[in-house]
Amino acid sequence: NAGVTQTPKFQVLKTGQSMTLQCAQDMNHNSMYWYRQDPGMGLRLIYYSASEGTTDKGEVPNGYNVSRLNKREFSLRLESAAPSQTSVYFCASSETPPGTGVNSGANVLTFGAGSRLTVL
Amino acid sequence: AQSVTQPDIHITVSEGASLELRCNYSYGATPYLFWYVQSPGQGLQLLLKYFSGDTLVQGIKGFEAEFKRSQSSFNLRKPSVHWSDAAEYFCAVVHGSSNTGKLIFGQGTTLQVKP
Repeated sequence: NAGVTQTPKFQVLKTGQSMTLQCAQDMNHNSMYWYRQDPGMGLRLIYYSASEGTTDKGEVPNGYNVSRLNKREFSLRLESAAPSQTSVYFCASSETPPGTGVNSGANVLTFGAGSRLTVL
Repeated sequence: AQSVTQPDIHITVSEGASLELRCNYSYGATPYLFWYVQSPGQGLQLLLKYFSGDTLVQGIKGFEAEFKRSQSSFNLRKPSVHWSDAAEYFCAVVHGSSNTGKLIFGQGTTLQVKP
């Protein structure tokens, strides 16, 4: 199993350019997430999709949009990139939202390897 | 709102020494708590989690964590650290309802292991 696959792994943009980060999982998971990681800030949730057909804002949604294209794919779009969006982006998925499933493994997030984005 | 704080940004221990990484949460009811580890250049991997029941939770790689409601803490421990444990460690809490809740992470603690 490939797990969670993110593309691209690296990207350099100029301020104002747009781009889409792609994420796909092959584990038949229902829930998917986009986080950004910045030094000293930990991981901050941008958007998430508890199930196919739903999306919700996380802690830091401004400047981003998402699309849950189907059960497998969850993309993150930057419409007009800003230097403040320079970060490492992680996609994750889980069979169920983290607050469900109690002691089963269904609520454990599986992370992709990350996408490093630099905005000049 | 639910939140989680890791007071120590960076910790250095000698190989073979014991380790304790601190995590404090803010939550009204019984929280769902996780510890994840991130090796350099990698994604995150689950170490252990607490939902209910026994307050001492065993995880992978010899790690354990203890949930203490009176102290609002979920500290991660290991009796003897190995050089391969050098990584960044994140505590996380579920925010929101059980069906739509999301995982909120602390700022992370970077562990350095001295030979």
